[in-house]
Amino acid sequence: EAGVVQSPRYKIIEKKQPVAFWCNPISGHNTLYWYLQNLGQGPELLIRYENEEAVDDSQLPKDRFSAERLKGVDSTLKIQPAELGDSAVYLCASSLVTGKRRIGNQPQHFGDGTRLSIL
Amino acid sequence: GNSVTQMEGPVTLSEEAFLTINCTYTATGYPSLFWYVQYPGEGLQLLLKATKADDKGSNKGFEATYRKETTSFHLEKGSVQVSDSAVYFCALSERQGAQKLVFGQGTRLTINP
Repeated sequence: EAGVVQSPRYKIIEKKQPVAFWCNPISGHNTLYWYLQNLGQGPELLIRYENEEAVDDSQLPKDRFSAERLKGVDSTLKIQPAELGDSAVYLCASSLVTGKRRIGNQPQHFGDGTRLSIL
Repeated sequence: GNSVTQMEGPVTLSEEAFLTINCTYTATGYPSLFWYVQYPGEGLQLLLKATKADDKGSNKGFEATYRKETTSFHLEKGSVQVSDSAVYFCALSERQGAQKLVFGQGTRLTINP
């Protein structure tokens, strides 16, 4: 089974430029997550999708961040414009949530992340 | 709000030593608890989980017991190997609302041969 695929692995841009990250979840996984991981910290949820619907985007800074998952499969996360403080690793994860199972009990499978550096 | 506090790192041990990484949590109700591991240059992998009080999660020689009375989920392994060198994250999932994962800050473990 192929895992969660993210691209690019590394991205270096100048501040105020736009940047986009792409994630392809595990086939069949209906729930997709984007996390932000600052250096030396644990991941923090930015947004969660169930199929194509964003069901939790309360932590997404909507003035500069946007995300989409148009067909309920792969997803993109965009930052425009990027700021120095956005330098971090952006992780994507997916899980299969069915029926009435508690979302929190389902294992999340993570990609290797995109490391963003802002100059 | 909900939070997870982990033992400060980094932790350095010799091969075959006993490992304990402490984790305590603050949550409303009864969350599910997890340990994730992150090897260099890779994403996080689920190591083990426990969904209710007194449950013991185990995998690859690692164990952790859900202790409701002390709000703890300490990670242990009897004999560590060099290949266990990684960053370990304790996490909880909320029982209500968004049920998102809340992570601790991570503990970097280095095992010397």
